[in-house]
Amino acid sequence: KNQVEQSPQSLIILEGKNCTLQCNYTVSPFSNLRWYKQDTGRGPVSLTIMTFSENTKSNGRYTATLDADTKQSSLHITASQLSDSASYICVVRREYALNFGKGTSLLVTP
Amino acid sequence: GAVVSQHPSRVICKSGTSVKIECRSLDFQATTMFWYRQFPKQSLMLMATSNEGSKATYEQGVEKDKFLINHASLTLSTLTVTSAHPEDSSFYICSASAGLAYEQFFGPGTRLTVL
Repeated sequence: KNQVEQSPQSLIILEGKNCTLQCNYTVSPFSNLRWYKQDTGRGPVSLTIMTFSENTKSNGRYTATLDADTKQSSLHITASQLSDSASYICVVRREYALNFGKGTSLLVTP
Repeated sequence: GAVVSQHPSRVICKSGTSVKIECRSLDFQATTMFWYRQFPKQSLMLMATSNEGSKATYEQGVEKDKFLINHASLTLSTLTVTSAHPEDSSFYICSASAGLAYEQFFGPGTRLTVL
């Protein structure tokens, strides 16, 4: 079954701290993996996209990693800001279908 | 990235009424549009896929007579929730793409509350 599991379910960190979110998947065949940020009451916005051959990709303070052998990805957020408070969703594409994780809810506190 | 809008952003209606939600791609031609539903703390669940000028393809368990989808142009798709009930209350998100193999760009979502 094509599944995407994210951990932790929720996370609270202090402003300025770093954090890492995890994504494990069983989706096959694999096309690409995206991390999205979804603010409360808004649609998802793409942060990074990774294909099979890519190990690391950065977008500002966001750095995503991919291990296609173990089918694991992570999203590292550096020097967190209050505006980073949101849900972060891992989405794995299999041909024409998107498989969504449930997301990690991140709260950054002052 | 491309811009996708939805209207309205939130709607409250009485049980038994119908509600129409619009999804527009503002700066590209969307051959394919998708409709998702998201319940609190849950992932997005695909409801249906529509190609411009064709009938929508619905996911298993989604009632096509209840959730009417029209994709009459390359920039507009509509979702009509007919005879809405409280259990239809949810966050509805559309996405648009230049085709099935292309990136999906998501709209901001519509919060539907059925009283």
